[in-house]
Amino acid sequence: DTGVSQNPRHKITKRGQNVTFRCDPISEHNRLYWYRQTLGQGPEFLTYFQNEAQLEKSRLLSDRFSAERPKGSFSTLEIQRTEQGDSAMYLCASSSPRAGGYTFGSGTRLTVV
Amino acid sequence: AQRVTQPEKLLSVFKGAPVELKCNYSYSGSPELFWYVQYSRQRLQLLLRHISRESIKGFTADLNKGETSFHLKKPFAQEEDSAMYYCALSGGYNKLIFGAGTRLAVHP
Repeated sequence: DTGVSQNPRHKITKRGQNVTFRCDPISEHNRLYWYRQTLGQGPEFLTYFQNEAQLEKSRLLSDRFSAERPKGSFSTLEIQRTEQGDSAMYLCASSSPRAGGYTFGSGTRLTVV
Repeated sequence: AQRVTQPEKLLSVFKGAPVELKCNYSYSGSPELFWYVQYSRQRLQLLLRHISRESIKGFTADLNKGETSFHLKKPFAQEEDSAMYYCALSGGYNKLIFGAGTRLAVHP
């Protein structure tokens, strides 16, 4: 499968713990996006990377959230001191100027108990 | 403010009936509009974009700048069209602003 890969698929964590998700984009895509989706809503933009540079962050991305994309390849999204409100599906997508649209991963479903 | 509104959470039709999924947007500038679809247990995937003016799986969508709408239409619905449909607007750095989605249920 040469699509966008996200790991883990599911994560259950206790409130207050830290979690980290990984996204491996399509190799030739230089743009990478993180979105969050809660029940009954469409995906909401969190942050955007072009190569290794993080060019935009949403106000949804509080200081407990941090994303990296070292060397412009895979990306990680870390949530520190998780709260129950962080429970959601976290989606990664990649694209390139020639791609004509995003390719989404299957997402990581986070449940904070 | 940039916003996408999909007024219907659920659209239920019978096989062979016409389908119109509504999408209205708010954007200052020249928008780029998309429809994404998510079939059961599958990832979100691009259905069509207004720039390409294609017909994909029998679906079409026309951008109406006067009414700020980008409704998705299909003349004859099929059971395999049952899915979640999201309208999206590209707003800067190609980030997408999604509507809340409409679930299309096509009954036999």
